Amino acid sequence: DSGVTQTPKHLITATGQRVTLRCSPRSGDLSVYWYQQSLDQGLQFLIQYYNGEERAKGNILERFSAQQFPDLHSELNLSSLELGDSALYFCASSVVSLASTDTQYFGPGTRLTVL
Amino acid sequence: GQNIDQPTEMTATEGAIVQINCTYQTSGFNGLFWYQQHAGEAPTFLSYNVLDGLEEKGRFSSFLSRSKGYSYLLLKELQMKDSASYLCAVIGAGSYQLTFGKGTKLSVIP
Repeated sequence: DSGVTQTPKHLITATGQRVTLRCSPRSGDLSVYWYQQSLDQGLQFLIQYYNGEERAKGNILERFSAQQFPDLHSELNLSSLELGDSALYFCASSVVSLASTDTQYFGPGTRLTVL
Repeated sequence: GQNIDQPTEMTATEGAIVQINCTYQTSGFNGLFWYQQHAGEAPTFLSYNVLDGLEEKGRFSSFLSRSKGYSYLLLKELQMKDSASYLCAVIGAGSYQLTFGKGTKLSVIP
């Protein structure tokens, strides 16, 4: 158990809908990262937050957005869902983002299925 | 940009030693990580290399050659539970994001 929690574990929804994935980092970690993992693409970095502020952006679609709250939990919002958005979504956390070599610890993931 | 290559699949026998290679091309380099991921589960941290050489941690060792853009993960005394995907990931200079390879699926057979 990494100490990172994610809810829900599974999510099934329809095309065009909007969902919110939630992540709580390890105690003491200030930085949260979101990744998408699909069968053919591997783990893809989406976005990073540090202490409430966006720090880095990867291959995140405009239909997706995220935020980190004062209590450091984070939410990833996915809207206008398409079949291709079906994937495992992982959250990871690390102590600080200033040292880019901080080890990231991953949560159990949310499996999103878009029908 | 960054490009990371690993073999797609490998098979090894219980009790044996296996080496999983990773080559990378990055715009700057600030460290290489290895993660283990069982199917449908979270990646778990195995090792981190930033300087050339071998890092040993129990049955697992990781090697890095920055001049060659090359790393390997060495697993000794293989156990059935080591059947998993092994992900190589790199952080480029001035970057906060991990770029992952597609992973090597290791099957350990009796």
